Amino acid sequence: KQEVTQIPAALSVPEGENLVLNCSFTDSAIYNLQWFRQDPGKGLTSLLLIQSSQREQTSGRLNASLDKSSGRSTLYIAASQPGDSATYLCAVNFGNEKLTFGTGTRLTIIP
Amino acid sequence: DTEVTQTPKHLVMGMTNKKSLKCEQHMGHRAMYWYKQKAKKPPELMFVYSYEKLSINESVPSRFSPECPNSSLLNLHLHALQPEDSALYLCASSQDRSYEQYFGPGTRLTVT
Repeated sequence: KQEVTQIPAALSVPEGENLVLNCSFTDSAIYNLQWFRQDPGKGLTSLLLIQSSQREQTSGRLNASLDKSSGRSTLYIAASQPGDSATYLCAVNFGNEKLTFGTGTRLTIIP
Repeated sequence: DTEVTQTPKHLVMGMTNKKSLKCEQHMGHRAMYWYKQKAKKPPELMFVYSYEKLSINESVPSRFSPECPNSSLLNLHLHALQPEDSALYLCASSQDRSYEQYFGPGTRLTVT
């Protein structure tokens, strides 16, 4: 069964620190992987998309990496800010036209 | 413009009502999706439309009826819903299947 896991479920970090969010998946034959953020009661905002052939993608203070052989992706957030507080979701396309979502990491940045 | 719009933002309906959710995008995307999200859970895929044809139906009960009138518009018709159907309903679109998905703000549905 193709599954996506995100640990920890919740994370609190002081403002200004760098942090890493983790995503693991059970099948290395992925098509692409997408990171989203979701604010409470809102829709999903796409942060980064990594294609199967790529190792990493960067956007501003965000950097996402992909290691298919180990079934892992990480989202690195530099110089965290209170506005980064949200739930971060990892979603994997295993080549079946669907996104399989992880359960998310709820991030709180402490001012 | 990477915007997907959804109306209404909030909807309260009784179990005997008929209502519709609307989703619109003007990015020229040819794939559109409906997701259901319960509190503190990830989104669950309901339907996928590709080139205005239903591509995937994740065994959703028939009280949910999707419709894609044209390439920019996706509707979800609701009839005889149950209280457990209360959730955030999210629409998404992508250039084609398996491309980056862009989500709308969602419709918060409450069934009484």
